[in-house]
Amino acid sequence: EDKVVQSPLSLVVHEGDTVTLNCSYEVTNFRSLLWYKQEKKAPTFLFMLTSSGIEKKSGRLSSILDKKELFSILNITATQTGDSAIYLCAIPPAGSYQLTFGKGTKLSVIP
Amino acid sequence: DVKVTQSSRYLVKRTGEKVFLECVQDMDHENMFWYRQDPGLGLRLIYFSYDVKMKEKGDIPEGYSVSREKKERFSLILESASTNQTSMYLCASSLWRGSNEKLFFGSGTQLSVL
Repeated sequence: EDKVVQSPLSLVVHEGDTVTLNCSYEVTNFRSLLWYKQEKKAPTFLFMLTSSGIEKKSGRLSSILDKKELFSILNITATQTGDSAIYLCAIPPAGSYQLTFGKGTKLSVIP
Repeated sequence: DVKVTQSSRYLVKRTGEKVFLECVQDMDHENMFWYRQDPGLGLRLIYFSYDVKMKEKGDIPEGYSVSREKKERFSLILESASTNQTSMYLCASSLWRGSNEKLFFGSGTQLSVL
């Protein structure tokens, strides 16, 4: 059965800290891994990773995939209160265009 | 920009009522999805559709049905609402072509069943 496990489930940090969020997965016929950020409303797309070892970067956020060890990390440097959100990791199961999501990591950034 | 619109942001219904949640997307996407999101359980797929009048069960279809009469609209139906269906419901859509798993989400409907 395809599975996505995120850790930690919640995290509280101070502004300016750097955080690393983890996502491990099990899937047959890996195609991609996606990260989303969810504030109060709709999850918004952050990154899609398909190749091992290639870092994707957007401002203070970056992500990388390790297909050998079956995990991905999402890094946020110099955190701000606006980074407070639930971060979701997801994979498409084999033969499907839906996404299977992990339970998410709730990040709280305090001033 | 892709827009996925859910008709209600908040909804309060009574046990046993029939509930319709509507979702419309404006980007001619083939695939549409209904998820529910609960604390500690994450997002779980209820139903999805990859074409008009086509539907597939997700992980938790019990107590729900769906309708896709037009490409842009995907409705989730709770035939007889129960308190355990109190949840945040998220609609999403995506392109079919190629390998494109990126989902675009609506803002969600928080349903409370009393």
